[in-house]
Amino acid sequence: GAGVSQTPSNKVTEKGKYVELRCDPISGHTALYWYRQSLGQGPEFLIYFQGTGAADDSGLPNDRFFAVRPEGSVSTLKIQRTERGDSAVYLCASRLATNTGELFFGEGSRLTVL
Amino acid sequence: SQQGEEDPQALSIQEGENATMNCSYKTSINNLQWYRQNSGRGLVHLILIRSNEREKHSGRLRVTLDTSKKSSSLLITASRAADTASYFCATDAWNSGYALNFGKGTSLLVTP
Repeated sequence: GAGVSQTPSNKVTEKGKYVELRCDPISGHTALYWYRQSLGQGPEFLIYFQGTGAADDSGLPNDRFFAVRPEGSVSTLKIQRTERGDSAVYLCASRLATNTGELFFGEGSRLTVL
Repeated sequence: SQQGEEDPQALSIQEGENATMNCSYKTSINNLQWYRQNSGRGLVHLILIRSNEREKHSGRLRVTLDTSKKSSSLLITASRAADTASYFCATDAWNSGYALNFGKGTSLLVTP
């Protein structure tokens, strides 16, 4: 596609449920990033992939969060046993290579945990 | 962690005026980038300045970088109502694993 695509755009779930958020990056972009943004804050880094491997997952807040990118393209962010504090907009971004250039962001997935 | 810190947090000006936003950061960088975010949307890249550059222009945007002070500024000249958005700086560094770190942003309101 022409840009980074994220689905769903909105997700409402109940506390304790499992959630998956999907990101389809720009074709050919090897680096893919996940960020979380709370209201009035800047994007908070979660994890990034270079190809299929997680090059840096130091931003994942705890072991309830996990992300995969099995074929080096689409990525899925998985959140287990969701908590109300997980409510935020989850942003995905990609760029051509890890160490240079601009990030291209998707429109985000807004997660609300009731 | 969020390395960049933008200042001011909020800025309100009238159309035609210039808007200046500042960003300070803590560690050495390869480059610094500025992004814009309209309410409820994703971030859009505005400009990238490398650590060996001091100033860069793009249309009505002017970015400066002072690596000795670990600071950058974004100037928007002749502002328009359509410039209303949040603006973020992001630092890109090999020693942070190339995970761009964003600040909290400056919320700019341009009134007609």
